[in-house]
Order: sequence, then C-alpha cells, then structure tokens
Amino acid sequence: AQKVTQAQTEISVVEKEDVTLDCVYETRDTTYYLFWYKQPPSGELVFLIRRNSFDEQNEISGRYSWNFQKSTSSFNFTITASQVVDSAVYFCALSVRGSNYKLTFGKGTLLTVNP
Amino acid sequence: EPEVTQTPSHQVTQMGQEVILRCVPISNHLYFYWYRQILGQKVEFLVSFYNNEISEKSEIFDDQFSVERPDGSNFTLKIRSTKLEDSAMYFCASRDRGPGNTEAFFGQGTRLTVV
Repeated sequence: AQKVTQAQTEISVVEKEDVTLDCVYETRDTTYYLFWYKQPPSGELVFLIRRNSFDEQNEISGRYSWNFQKSTSSFNFTITASQVVDSAVYFCALSVRGSNYKLTFGKGTLLTVNP
Repeated sequence: EPEVTQTPSHQVTQMGQEVILRCVPISNHLYFYWYRQILGQKVEFLVSFYNNEISEKSEIFDDQFSVERPDGSNFTLKIRSTKLEDSAMYFCASRDRGPGNTEAFFGQGTRLTVV
C-alpha cells in the first residue's frame, strides 16, 4: 500500500519569505510517480508538478522548486518569495502502475501568506 | 485546452435522496476516477473505471455508490440514499492510456451538501 505524509498541517509566513512544504512517501513499488497539487479557496485541484521515481533531478519553475530525494523518500516543495496568491492548501500525492495510477494523497498543508 | 467538466458545481439534497453527479472526461481518455474530499480533509480515492467496468474501488465505495458510463461521453457517480456524511467535494478525473500517461486530469469538483 502507498502512503503520503505531510507533517505540516498549517504554515503561516509573511509575503516575500521563502517556505518549504514537506512530503514523505512510502511505497514498495520501484516505479512510482509523485505529484503536487494546489487547492485554492475556490476548491479546485490545480496540478503543479509530476516527478517520476527514476528521475531524481530537481526542478525549478519560476518561484517554485521541488527537491526529490529517494534516499529519504521525500519530495519537498519550496516557494521562493511567497505572495498572498500562494495562500492555499497544498497536497502531495503518489501513484503506482499496479494500482491503475490512482492517487494517494497526503493530508495537505494549509499555507497562509500574510501581506 | 481539453478539460474535465463536472456538473453541477454544487448540489444540495435531502438525506435519503438519490443523487447523480456527472462528469464529462477528456474525449480520448480511457481511464476514469472518482475521488472524495470531506471538508477540511484529504482527497480520497473512491473508484477507478476502465473498459466499462470498475477496475478498483476503495472501502468507502460501498453498495450505496455506483458508477456508469451511459454513453460515449459521460461518466456518472450515483449515491442511492444519501447520508449526512456523504457531504463532501467529489472530484472526477480522467487519464489517457499509454505508459507515459500517468497523470490524471481533474474536474473542478461538485460540492455535495446533504441536509
């Protein structure tokens, strides 16, 4: 079975601060996929990134960056110079081929960016 | 850009009533999913559907739930006799086939309120 742990329930920062959201996963599959989704107050799930287990390169997209470390089973997400519009719940998720690629989500981290 | 469409966006129903939540997946996709998110909680897998049959379901997906693809475009989730605890956001997702297509695309969700 798959498991995703997001230990941080809530984080509050002041605008322009950097913030890192932690994600730790568990799976016995050697091929798996990791995701981050943003859920703004309007409720929809906004896809941010997918990372394959065989690709450990970190990724940067604008103010967003992701640090994938297989050795610690972590896939952390950093927002640089946070903005008020970044306020949302962020979910980390995991899928494997053997489960029809269904997503197993973490409990989410509520990020509040204050002006 | 193709997208998954869910209707209605919000449904209020009385306890014991039947509800049907509708989804139009992306047209060439072959794998379909329903997820549920109780307010303030994580997103949970309900069921996956492929080739006109359920491929996997969670323990949440009991006899009160059913899914159907009545025509070539719609994918529905029916709850036969709603309970208060069925109040949640329900997300539909679809995925294309092929080894590289591991990402599911989500609809904007239907918020179900059972009173």
